[in-house]
Amino acid sequence: DAGVTQSPTHLIKTRGQQVTLRCSPKSGHDTVSWYQQALGQGPQFIFQYYEEEERQRGNFPDRFSGHQFPNYSSELNVNALLLGDSALYLCASSPQGVRNYGYTFGSGTRLTVV
Amino acid sequence: DQQVKQNSPSLSVQEGRISILNCDYTNSMFDYFLWYKKYPAEGPTFLISISSIKDKNEDGRFTVFLNKSAKHLSLHIVPSQPGDSAVYFCAASGRSSGNTGKLIFGQGTTLQVKP
Repeated sequence: DAGVTQSPTHLIKTRGQQVTLRCSPKSGHDTVSWYQQALGQGPQFIFQYYEEEERQRGNFPDRFSGHQFPNYSSELNVNALLLGDSALYLCASSPQGVRNYGYTFGSGTRLTVV
Repeated sequence: DQQVKQNSPSLSVQEGRISILNCDYTNSMFDYFLWYKKYPAEGPTFLISISSIKDKNEDGRFTVFLNKSAKHLSLHIVPSQPGDSAVYFCAASGRSSGNTGKLIFGQGTTLQVKP
């Protein structure tokens, strides 16, 4: 049983560019959350998607947007990249209604902005 | 505003001894707390959790203690094994309106267990 799959694993982008990160949730999970983990910090909540809608959002600017598809997979888009956006981006999936401990995290996408 | 704090960036213990990782929080609305373990190049994996209605939860070698009055929780690992060497994150979630399960993480503590 595959867990959460994220692609790509590593990415290098230039400041000002746009990037799309992808996530396939664990089988049986329908809710996807995205987190940003800067170096030496804990993960920070970006937003959560359920039923193809953004259900909750963290303290991130509108440059960060997302999407969830009918098959529950999700994308994270970041526009106008800044050097400070360099981080590990983690996707977590869960069955809706199983709060918190139901999360399964992917291995993340390492984004470097130069 | 760091609502969940892990003040010790690192901890080193000898194999077989007890590891104690600490976590403090400031938001009294938090009602569920979790510990995650993270190896390099992997995502965080769930370790153990505790609800605010309890003060202790045990799972094998891992025990989490919650002191609500002090807004403090700790993770005890007994006995520690070299395979426990990883980064440990404390996380919390609250019952505020509209919260669908967002986790607030601490900065992490790197545990090294020496053989």
